[in-house]
Amino acid sequence: AQRVTQPEKLLSVFKGAPVELKCNYSYSGSPELFWYVQYSRQRLQLLLRHISRESIKGFTADLNKGETSFHLKKPFAQEEDSAMYYCALQGGGSYIPTFGRGTSLIVHP
Amino acid sequence: SQTIHQWPATLVQPVGSPLSLECTVEGTSNPNLYWYRQAAGRGLQLLFYSVGIGQISSEVPQNLSASRPQDRQFILSSKKLLLSDSGFYLCALPGGQGNTGELFFGEGSRLTVL
Repeated sequence: AQRVTQPEKLLSVFKGAPVELKCNYSYSGSPELFWYVQYSRQRLQLLLRHISRESIKGFTADLNKGETSFHLKKPFAQEEDSAMYYCALQGGGSYIPTFGRGTSLIVHP
Repeated sequence: SQTIHQWPATLVQPVGSPLSLECTVEGTSNPNLYWYRQAAGRGLQLLFYSVGIGQISSEVPQNLSASRPQDRQFILSSKKLLLSDSGFYLCALPGGQGNTGELFFGEGSRLTVL
């Protein structure tokens, strides 16, 4: 079975501070991992995927197989980063991703 | 490019009333389609998925049902709504190319049951 855990329901930081949204997963094989973001009044959309090894809007996420984690990081948070963030996993052979419970990020001015 | 339309965007219904939420997609053929519910404190929960017309798989037992009468239409229904059915319902289909795991979501339907 595959499982995604986002331990923080809410993360509150000030503008300019570093931010790390935690994601841990449980899966026996090699997973595909994703971060999705939902800004206020916008649709849920893909932010980044681990296989792309890209930085989007200053965010990066590194897959750590030893710790089974895929934390989302940004060195300097901006107010426009305030949103709901979901970590998701797709196991090999499955076409249905499993989502975590989400973390609400609030960046204060 | 593919698009997803969800209707209605907002709905307020009394307990015990029926429900029908519609999702239609364009720009793709025979896609897998998904219904998710986003409820306060409970994250994003997969309710149903469909791999083709008339084919529905239910992920969790509940008061809801789904149907796929046409290739590009996915409907979420209930005969009698419960208070616990309140939430934000999202329709999704695979994004990207191939089985990448990426999903493309609709704008959602917000249901409040009173």
